[in-house]
Amino acid sequence: AQTVTQSQPEMSVQEAETVTLSCTYDTSENNYYLFWYKQPPSRQMILVIRQEAYKQQNATENRFSVNFQKAAKSFSLKISDSQLGDTAMYFCAFMKGQSNAGKSTFGDGTTLTVKP
Amino acid sequence: DTAVSQTPKYLVTQMGNDKSIKCEQNLGHDTMYWYKQDSKKFLKIMFSYNNKELIINETVPNRFSPKSPDKAHLNLHINSLELGDSAVYFCASSLTSGGPGETQYFGPGTRLLVL
Repeated sequence: AQTVTQSQPEMSVQEAETVTLSCTYDTSENNYYLFWYKQPPSRQMILVIRQEAYKQQNATENRFSVNFQKAAKSFSLKISDSQLGDTAMYFCAFMKGQSNAGKSTFGDGTTLTVKP
Repeated sequence: DTAVSQTPKYLVTQMGNDKSIKCEQNLGHDTMYWYKQDSKKFLKIMFSYNNKELIINETVPNRFSPKSPDKAHLNLHINSLELGDSAVYFCASSLTSGGPGETQYFGPGTRLLVL
């Protein structure tokens, strides 16, 4: 079974600064996908970024980028130029590579507060 | 336009009651899911349906019964509600059969409170 661990329950950052959220996972699979989701106070779950394990290049999406270390089973999210609207809970998620009907395993989440 | 919608947004009810949560997606997706997010924010999959057929059924009490009248709808019916059922329930959908790495699109969630 896969496990996903987010070791930082809460974090805060000043507006315009950079913050990194950590995520580690445990799996025996070689082919898999990793995701970061954002859940703002509205509770909507929004996909932020995804990474294919077979790709060495780190995924980026505007101000959001990941540091994917496959050997270390680490998948951290970096938010650059933090904005007030980035305040949310962030979930790291793991999905097996072979078809498994979309079953994802989520971490416990990190609450990020961006301060003005 | 709302992609994945859920009704109601909030549901407060007494123990022992039966209630339903509805989910609809207008994305033309083939697969839909139900997730439960408990008070500690832990998010766990409950069910998934592909073209009205059950694909995933995690260890969920049989008081929970999903129903998919068509591939755009996946409703969740809960019998004999218990205090521990209080949570936020998220519906999601994905394009095809939930294949490798397929992105899931989530609804806004339904906050259920059982008194």
